[in-house]
Amino acid sequence: GIQVEQSPPDLILQEGANSTLRCNFSDSVNNLQWFHQNPWGQLINLFYIPSGTKQNGRLSATTVATERYSLLYISSSQTTDSGVYFCAVVRGTGFQKLVFGTGTRLLVSP
Amino acid sequence: DAGVIQSPRHEVTEMGQEVTLRCKPISGHNSLFWYRQTMMRGLELLIYFNNNVPIDDSGMPEDRFSAKMPNASFSTLKIQPSEPRDSAVYFCASGAWGTEDNEKLFFGSGTQLSVL
Repeated sequence: GIQVEQSPPDLILQEGANSTLRCNFSDSVNNLQWFHQNPWGQLINLFYIPSGTKQNGRLSATTVATERYSLLYISSSQTTDSGVYFCAVVRGTGFQKLVFGTGTRLLVSP
Repeated sequence: DAGVIQSPRHEVTEMGQEVTLRCKPISGHNSLFWYRQTMMRGLELLIYFNNNVPIDDSGMPEDRFSAKMPNASFSTLKIQPSEPRDSAVYFCASGAWGTEDNEKLFFGSGTQLSVL
């Protein structure tokens, strides 16, 4: 099956700092999503971004499908950004399974 | 919309008992997914449905697990008999799969299952 690798596995930031999270995948994909799992376990969909760039407030994401990677940018981080960030992909089209990466655990300290 | 609703939030049971987890997807979504999350294995897809029909159940660990979707607004995941290694957080998610530019997946709050 498709492999999804995320880096770094862990990240500690001071409030206000910027960060870049990376997701590499082993095969072509037609669906890529970024999720944030907060400290209470809730999984929140941040972006649906199979290609191109999107921005939502302090967060933005870029997927370069031809090179099989995606980046999630967090600017001016806040303590509420803490949690685990997951990248998830679907290989192929149609009704295919969304495969999750292992995640990046982010801790933003005040 | 209230989002994806799962029940119960927490379930503690003894080995050998039957466990039933419930999910109500977002109205209008045509696809429903059951995931399991553990520290060791991360987020694993167990089964997913499209238009109430199971499409891929290859992630279901063994015959003790079964899932149904009798209608567009309800799904169950059943474990019978339960074992301690089934302890995990079980998530249900729904999406409008196949809809142009709108294939985002939305998760419920999960069910924390502990099998003693």
